[in-house]
Amino acid sequence: EVQLVESGGGLVQPGGSLRLSCAASGFTFTDYWMSWVRQAPGKGLEWVANIKQDGSEKYYVDSVKGRFIISRDNAKNSLYLQMNSLRAEDTAVYYCARDRPVSYYDSSGFYFWGQGTLVTVSS
Amino acid sequence: EIVLTQSPGTLSLSPGERATLSCRASQSVSDNYLAWYQQKPGQAPRLLIYGASSRATGISDRFSGSGSGTDFTLTISRLEPEDFAVYYCQQYSGSRAFGQGTKVEIK
Repeated sequence: EVQLVESGGGLVQPGGSLRLSCAASGFTFTDYWMSWVRQAPGKGLEWVANIKQDGSEKYYVDSVKGRFIISRDNAKNSLYLQMNSLRAEDTAVYYCARDRPVSYYDSSGFYFWGQGTLVTVSS
Repeated sequence: EIVLTQSPGTLSLSPGERATLSCRASQSVSDNYLAWYQQKPGQAPRLLIYGASSRATGISDRFSGSGSGTDFTLTISRLEPEDFAVYYCQQYSGSRAFGQGTKVEIK
């Protein structure tokens, strides 16, 4: 059974930092890109960032470029999101999701999601 | 960067009725890599449709997807009580952008 379990959310002051983690199990972690998606309270889904299997390619939504860093540790089957210079508008539930596989032509959207972790940026 | 626009914002229907949701892309979606998700309050999104028209594992055949290029549609043939939720489209051929969502509510 595929499981994605996020942790690390909490309350942080504007300008502060937070590191989110996502522990993956039930599939071969190194076969997949991984993504972070967030959802502000009462709002829609926003894709935040993704990372290739070996970490050699990373992409970000414009609003977090230069502030957030996505990374992974394949030995620990874990995905991370380092969030710096946090702003009130970063307040959201952050989900990790399994992204595309090695072969682009086997892509099928985000089949699996974690339950999310809440990040609140407030003084 | 492709922008996805969903319409309508809210759809008010009764159980048993047919729901038709639209997703329009600002440019052609490569390989029709367009997915649909359902999200209920307090839950993570659930994949319904990928590749514009393929149902994900375990998804009822009440749900069907169609379209290509820039215009895509999610159809729910006969609404069941559990289908009232918010639906998002997403393109996954380049960036992973989502549409803003369509809420299907009970009339």
